[in-house]
Amino acid sequence: DQQVKQNSPSLSVQEGRISILNCDYTNSMFDYFLWYKKYPAEGPTFLISISSIKDKNEDGRFTVFLNKSAKHLSLHIVPSQPGDSAVYFCAASKGSGNTGKLIFGQGTTLQVKP
Amino acid sequence: DVKVTQSSRYLVKRTGEKVFLECVQDMDHENMFWYRQDPGLGLRLIYFSYDVKMKEKGDIPEGYSVSREKKERFSLILESASTNQTSMYLCASSRGADTQYFGPGTRLTVL
Repeated sequence: DQQVKQNSPSLSVQEGRISILNCDYTNSMFDYFLWYKKYPAEGPTFLISISSIKDKNEDGRFTVFLNKSAKHLSLHIVPSQPGDSAVYFCAASKGSGNTGKLIFGQGTTLQVKP
Repeated sequence: DVKVTQSSRYLVKRTGEKVFLECVQDMDHENMFWYRQDPGLGLRLIYFSYDVKMKEKGDIPEGYSVSREKKERFSLILESASTNQTSMYLCASSRGADTQYFGPGTRLTVL
């Protein structure tokens, strides 16, 4: 049972344009959402997060939007740069006490073309 | 800066061998996690630990065990490696419910 889904395995955009990565979840108990970025042969690194009490969080070129009614979140990267080419994972947490346990999606491979 | 290190970047083992993957973090984090990453399946949690000598099963614990004798070290053990355990193994740590920090990963191949 995949509770966090990234239905697009890959995305290709032109440098300077907007990249939109999508993520859907099924568990309404999730209250915290994160995006991680992963380069080949490296571990994932934290990118941006959002609490369920917000619908938008922005950090430089990266913005995450949360639509709780649709159980959907998206990551916008504007403008996209070739160095953004990586695998992006969304993850969700349901306030599982102090353990910080996360449920990850399958990942979306972003390619930004120069 | 948080640093999570894993004992090997690449490992090749034979079917039936016992395999140890080591993870060390230097930020005094309570929580440590072991994941495997496979194409199309994302990161799947194998085991996690929220304190020394404490462990809990994740989503795919079968064929694996773990050990946490010291706060900074979390070991993943494959008792008898099988070819379907060929994967990228990622260790992470966190303080409470905060962001997880990942190590560089170990690419394990079981022949």
